[in-house]
Amino acid sequence: AQTVTQSQPEMSVQEAETVTLSCTYDTSENNYYLFWYKQPPSRQMILVIRQEAYKQQNATENRFSVNFQKAAKSFSLKISDSQLGDTAMYFCALRTSGTYKYIFGTGTRLKVLA
Amino acid sequence: GAGVSQSPRYKVAKRGQDVALRCDPISGHVSLFWYQQALGQGPEFLTYFQNEAQLDKSGLPSDRFFAERPEGSVSTLKIQRTQQEDSAVYLCASSLASGGVGGELFFGEGSRLTVL
Repeated sequence: AQTVTQSQPEMSVQEAETVTLSCTYDTSENNYYLFWYKQPPSRQMILVIRQEAYKQQNATENRFSVNFQKAAKSFSLKISDSQLGDTAMYFCALRTSGTYKYIFGTGTRLKVLA
Repeated sequence: GAGVSQSPRYKVAKRGQDVALRCDPISGHVSLFWYQQALGQGPEFLTYFQNEAQLDKSGLPSDRFFAERPEGSVSTLKIQRTQQEDSAVYLCASSLASGGVGGELFFGEGSRLTVL
């Protein structure tokens, strides 16, 4: 069975600072993708960044980057130069080649402080 | 429309009533997913459609839950004889990819169901 664990229910960061959100996962598949989705208050979930398991290079999207440690099954999200608009719930998700499901973690509520 | 549209946004039902939640995915998107998100939790998979075919319904919690996508576009999630534990936000997501593992999901804003 595939699982995704986010151990930080809530975090806060000062505007312009850097914050890292943690995610661990478990799967026996070799072909899979990992995702970070952002869910702002009362708005729909949007994709922040994704990582292919077979790529060793960490994905980067502007201020967002990941630290993908395949052996440790760890997939953390780093947000640099945090902005007030980054305040949201962040969900880590896993999809493997053996299923249609995207498996989501329980989320981390991030608050960026002015 | 440009995005995934869900209706109604809010639904209050008395216990025992039937409800229907609608999802209008992005035009041309092959894949459609329904997820259930309880308060403070992550989305839980309910069911998956590839065009009109329901390929996975393993997440539907009981036979009171039924989903369809008859023409491969709009989908309806129906809940019969609602119970309080059905209270949640129901999210619909669509994706252009059919078999691809890395396809991006595009979510609607969700339908918040409250069962009294």
